[in-house]
Amino acid sequence: DIQMTQSPSSLSASVGDRVTITCRASQSISSYLNWYQQKPGKAPKYLIYLSSNLQSGVPSRFSGSGSGTDFTLNISSLQPEDFATYYCQQSHSTPPTFGGGTKVEIK
Amino acid sequence: EVQLVESGGGLVRPGGSLRLSCAASGFTFGGYSMNWVRQAPGKGLEWVSYISSDGRSIYYADSVKGRFTISRDNAKNSLYLQMISLRAEDTAVYYCARDAVGATLRFDPWGQGTLVTVSS
Repeated sequence: DIQMTQSPSSLSASVGDRVTITCRASQSISSYLNWYQQKPGKAPKYLIYLSSNLQSGVPSRFSGSGSGTDFTLNISSLQPEDFATYYCQQSHSTPPTFGGGTKVEIK
Repeated sequence: EVQLVESGGGLVRPGGSLRLSCAASGFTFGGYSMNWVRQAPGKGLEWVSYISSDGRSIYYADSVKGRFTISRDNAKNSLYLQMISLRAEDTAVYYCARDAVGATLRFDPWGQGTLVTVSS
């Protein structure tokens, strides 16, 4: 199975900050990397697919990049509604696997 | 509006069984492959099982293989997960999730989840 490692596991940031979350795959997954946002008590929401493509309706302050084994999720200017946990997930091969999550908290 | 609504969760003793259901609406259910994904309390996400749109292709996580069975009824717009020989480590919120448009193993949208608690 492909292992997905996210860092950091948590971070504190202020509204307006730029935030970067990294995700590393244990082997090359090309661009088959997706990002989800989960708020407490809610289901995950599909944010970015195939490394850099924004799902419809997702604000442009979110962006993704990377290929191979190293990927990043950026939030250019953190908004109050962005405080959540973010998960990366590879869809390169079965079983699909998720990173451990990055909790973005208010500083 | 695309909607997925899970049901069937609850408290069950170790070794017991449970059947989860997911009712789909707002899209052509028979045209999409579907998944179950679970989340143990306070933990991350774990994919559990996949079924193709016609039900012919099925995959399971190793952790549930031989104990869980995924199925679907396209006439009833419903997805199921039959779980037997349940263990404490199966305790989780179980989400049904559709494969994203034009994709496989990318999950969009998700249901609200149903909690399964395995405890004596």
